[in-house]
Amino acid sequence: EDQVTQSPEALRLQEGESSSLNCSYTVSGLRGLFWYRQDPGKGPEFLFTLYSAGEEKEKERLKATLTKKESFLHITAPKPEDSATYLCAVQAEVTGGGNKLTFGTGTQLKVEL
Amino acid sequence: EAGVTQFPSHSVIEKGQTVTLRCDPISGHDNLYWYRRVMGKEIKFLLHFVKESKQDESGMPNNRFLAERTGGTYSTLKVQPAELEDSGVYFCASSFSRADQDTQYFGPGTRLTVL
Repeated sequence: EDQVTQSPEALRLQEGESSSLNCSYTVSGLRGLFWYRQDPGKGPEFLFTLYSAGEEKEKERLKATLTKKESFLHITAPKPEDSATYLCAVQAEVTGGGNKLTFGTGTQLKVEL
Repeated sequence: EAGVTQFPSHSVIEKGQTVTLRCDPISGHDNLYWYRRVMGKEIKFLLHFVKESKQDESGMPNNRFLAERTGGTYSTLKVQPAELEDSGVYFCASSFSRADQDTQYFGPGTRLTVL
């Protein structure tokens, strides 16, 4: 069974204080690893997809990396508007094309002035 | 371009009643997914449509849940009769089929409370 574990559960940073969020996964064969951002009362907002170990993607202050067992979301010099819950999800290689996502419970990030 | 829309945003019903949730995917997306988050837990997959066909319904909890996607456009998820444990946020997502990737875009969710 596919499994995703995110840590820490919650993280409080000062503005400008860089840090990393972790996503450990087990999957029979990885088709893709997804990062989403979720604000209170809203649906998950797509950030990145990573497909193979060694791959990196960047968007503004966020950078996602992938190994064979885990992914990191690095946040450089965060701002208060980066406060949100960050979700990690995996999609497995499945015969027949099943595309379901398996999610972790998320990391709740709070960036303070 | 409009994103995934869901209706209603909130629904409060009594145990034993029926509720129907609706999802309108992004125009042109042939894949449509339903997910659910119950209190304190992770978002979990319910089912996947490709156009009007059910590709995977392995996550549907029981036969009180019925999903349809007539005509391959919008989808409805009916819960009948509703139980207390059905409370949670129901998300819909859609994507465009490609061999090399499948990025799912989510709607804002419907918060269902069963009293």
